[in-house]
Amino acid sequence: EVQLVQSGAEVKKPGESLKISCKGSGYSFTSYWIGWVRQMPGKGLEWMGIIYPGDSDTRYSPSFQGQVTISADKSISTAYLQWSSLKASDTAMYYCALVRGPRPHDAFDIWGQGTMVTVSS
Amino acid sequence: EIVLTQSPGTLSLSPGERATLSCRASQSVSSSYLAWYQQKPGQAPRLLIYGASSRATGIPDRFSGSGSGTDFTLTISRLEPEDFAVYYCQQYGSSPQAFGQGTKVEIK
Repeated sequence: EVQLVQSGAEVKKPGESLKISCKGSGYSFTSYWIGWVRQMPGKGLEWMGIIYPGDSDTRYSPSFQGQVTISADKSISTAYLQWSSLKASDTAMYYCALVRGPRPHDAFDIWGQGTMVTVSS
Repeated sequence: EIVLTQSPGTLSLSPGERATLSCRASQSVSSSYLAWYQQKPGQAPRLLIYGASSRATGIPDRFSGSGSGTDFTLTISRLEPEDFAVYYCQQYGSSPQAFGQGTKVEIK
């Protein structure tokens, strides 16, 4: 069974750093793009960016470029989303999702369960 | 950058009725690279439709997608109780990819 399992909820203070994870299983981790999607409380979905774990080719939405870093460690089939300095406005649910085909331009067909990040002083 | 506008914001219908959701793009979506997702409270989104009209694995045939260019439609032929949820469209044909703001289908 293809699965994406995300790390648990986080509570952080403004200015702190954070790295959340998304572990893939049941498929060839290096052969499919993985994306990250933000959902702020009570709001819609926002496409943040995608990474190809095979060669770490990464594409960002302009809205998130420079604000977060997407990476992957293919040796442990895990993708990451990290912040160097969190802001209260980063409070949101973050989903990782698997692109359904081998190209970056495709829909997300498998989703992780989400990681809730709360940033509060 | 393509902006997707979904309408209506909320659709109030009864079980058994037909639901028609619209997604309009600010520019043509290349190769009909348009998907629809369903999200229920407390759950991750679920892919329903990709390529504008292809149903994802396990999706009932009461869900159908249509459209091309800038105008796309998700139709639920007869609403089941489990279909009341929020629906999002997504264009993945050009960068940056983007989602619409969502349509909530609620019980009337």
